[in-house]
Amino acid sequence: NAGVTQTPKFQVLKTGQSMTLQCAQDMNHEYMSWYRQDPGMGLRLIHYSVGAGITDQGEVPNGYNVSRSTTEDFPLRLLSAAPSQTSVYFCASSYLSGKSGGYTFGSGTRLTVV
Amino acid sequence: EDKVVQSPLSLVVHEGDTVTLNCSYEVTNFRSLLWYKQEKKAPTFLFMLTSSGIEKKSGRLSSILDKKELSSILNITATQTGDSAIYLCAVEFGTNAGKSTFGDGTTLTVKP
Repeated sequence: NAGVTQTPKFQVLKTGQSMTLQCAQDMNHEYMSWYRQDPGMGLRLIHYSVGAGITDQGEVPNGYNVSRSTTEDFPLRLLSAAPSQTSVYFCASSYLSGKSGGYTFGSGTRLTVV
Repeated sequence: EDKVVQSPLSLVVHEGDTVTLNCSYEVTNFRSLLWYKQEKKAPTFLFMLTSSGIEKKSGRLSSILDKKELSSILNITATQTGDSAIYLCAVEFGTNAGKSTFGDGTTLTVKP
């Protein structure tokens, strides 16, 4: 099993550019989410989804869009990149019920906005 | 506002020491508390706690939840340099299962 696959691993954007971070999981997890992690801080929830066609906002949703057209994929779109969005982004997934193993995380995307 | 607070923020110990990391929370509709270890890359799962007073153990690591005090501790005995990492506490909460809030983490440094 590949688990959670995130691409790209690194990205540099200019202010105002848009891009999509990809996330795919092959574990049939219902729940998927995007977090950002800034230096010295924990993970802050951007958006999450409990199933295909269902998404909701987390703590820091401004400047980001998501969609969940399939169970496997949960892309995160930056609409107009700003330096404040420089961060490490993690995608995470899990089952909704009967869960005993916490989240499975992707390897992360290090994004720099200049 | 739902929040998770970890203490201390950082800790430096020597190999062989025992450490206790703390996590307290204030959330609506608590579901579970999870501990993760983060080294250079993505967090990896350690424990999931849902019931008070039941200790979870894995080798030298153990954790327990106190739902009356809204807190949890993570103990590491006989620390090794490989235990150096950021330890993250997360609380799953709300009417929809799955959604979690993370604390800022405790950075543990174990010196030889």
